[in-house]
Amino acid sequence: NAGVTQTPKFRVLKTGQSMTLLCAQDMNHEYMYWYRQDPGMGLRLIHYSVGEGTTAKGEVPDGYNVSRLKKQNFLLGLESAAPSQTSVYFCASALAGGPSRELFFGEGSRLTVL
Amino acid sequence: SQQGEEDPQALSIQEGENATMNCSYKTSINNLQWYRQNSGRGLVHLILIRSNEREKHSGRLRVTLDTSKKSSSLLITASRAADTASYFCATDRMQGGKLIFGQGTELSVKP
Repeated sequence: NAGVTQTPKFRVLKTGQSMTLLCAQDMNHEYMYWYRQDPGMGLRLIHYSVGEGTTAKGEVPDGYNVSRLKKQNFLLGLESAAPSQTSVYFCASALAGGPSRELFFGEGSRLTVL
Repeated sequence: SQQGEEDPQALSIQEGENATMNCSYKTSINNLQWYRQNSGRGLVHLILIRSNEREKHSGRLRVTLDTSKKSSSLLITASRAADTASYFCATDRMQGGKLIFGQGTELSVKP
């Protein structure tokens, strides 16, 4: 049972390039989230999804797009990468949308934009 | 803006001592959760306390919640070197379905 898997784990981009981060979960979870973690800023929510085919904006959505075409996958896209998007990105999933949501996290994807 | 604010930002103690971390938040919540993150790894859920609960225990962890003060504390008793990690509180606000994290407390337990 893999849990939450993120690919790639590391990536270096040049300013203006595009890329997609893939998150896959095998726990049949409804909710999925993308966070970014920066020193001194904690984790900030980028986008999230409450089910297949749905997406919603979080705290810092600008410059990112997401898609949830399949229940098990949640993709995070950067159309034109900027140095400010250098960060560690974490995907998480949760079984249900009620108040007892325990999040399960992936191991992170470290992105550097030059 | 961040919903949760942890205090202190960093804490260094000796093995065997207790470690206390605090979290304050701004708006009404459904529940509050604590997570742990080892260096270079993802976050791992530790404990959840609901808004109608005041205290909860799990092994060496004790969490309290004071909704009147909008604050929570995480106590780790008899700390071990393996407890060295960053600890985050996260709140599930009553309006909205998102889990918002604080900035974390970096705990160092010296053998």
